[in-house]
Amino acid sequence: DTAVSQTPKYLVTQMGNDKSIKCEQNLGHDTMYWYKQDSKKFLKIMFSYNNKELIINETVPNRFSPKSPDKAHLNLHINSLELGDSAVYFCASRPVTGNGYTFGSGTRLTVV
Amino acid sequence: GENVEQHPSTLSVQEGDSAVIKCTYSDSASNYFPWYKQELGKGPQLIIDIRSNVGEKKDQRIAVTLNKTAKHFSLHITETQPEDSAVYFCAASWSSGNEKLTFGTGTRLTIIP
Repeated sequence: DTAVSQTPKYLVTQMGNDKSIKCEQNLGHDTMYWYKQDSKKFLKIMFSYNNKELIINETVPNRFSPKSPDKAHLNLHINSLELGDSAVYFCASRPVTGNGYTFGSGTRLTVV
Repeated sequence: GENVEQHPSTLSVQEGDSAVIKCTYSDSASNYFPWYKQELGKGPQLIIDIRSNVGEKKDQRIAVTLNKTAKHFSLHITETQPEDSAVYFCAASWSSGNEKLTFGTGTRLTIIP
């Protein structure tokens, strides 16, 4: 009965590889987000989708490509992984009315 | 764009005492100010929020105050307990339909038993 679930929880991969992180929410929310949390705990928005439509793209390298097959899912695909991509990636969702985000538990990506 | 500053970055408080974390924001159009608590290995969890038409909001041991003129808001935790130890984030956004939360840099709160 997890509200926002992300998989995998941990991901260790080599530089140059391509990887995907999946996110699903069962809250019926229309808007979903990807945030990146760096080693200093700073949370920065990457993307936002509203009902499958991209509405925010915060100058993220085009190696990162979000995909929303339906409003309950927002996946993140990363091509040609670099060392600097190592971070914790959080998915979040928000209802149409109200501003409160619900976050997933995060995916810790380590690029070696 | 919005810029949110948060202080202090670390805070140690004796159990039972109060803790105060302060944030300032830059965009006067911002009208929603939530606070999140992040425990180790977990995602941020909303603990309290306030909108710009309210100056103060309280929920049991937690309260948030907002000064729109000065563009700052604060989190107050009273009667602190060990389980309050976590990283706390403030954030700000404005309701445009495409709103995004801009987060502060976080405060690591440690409650000393």
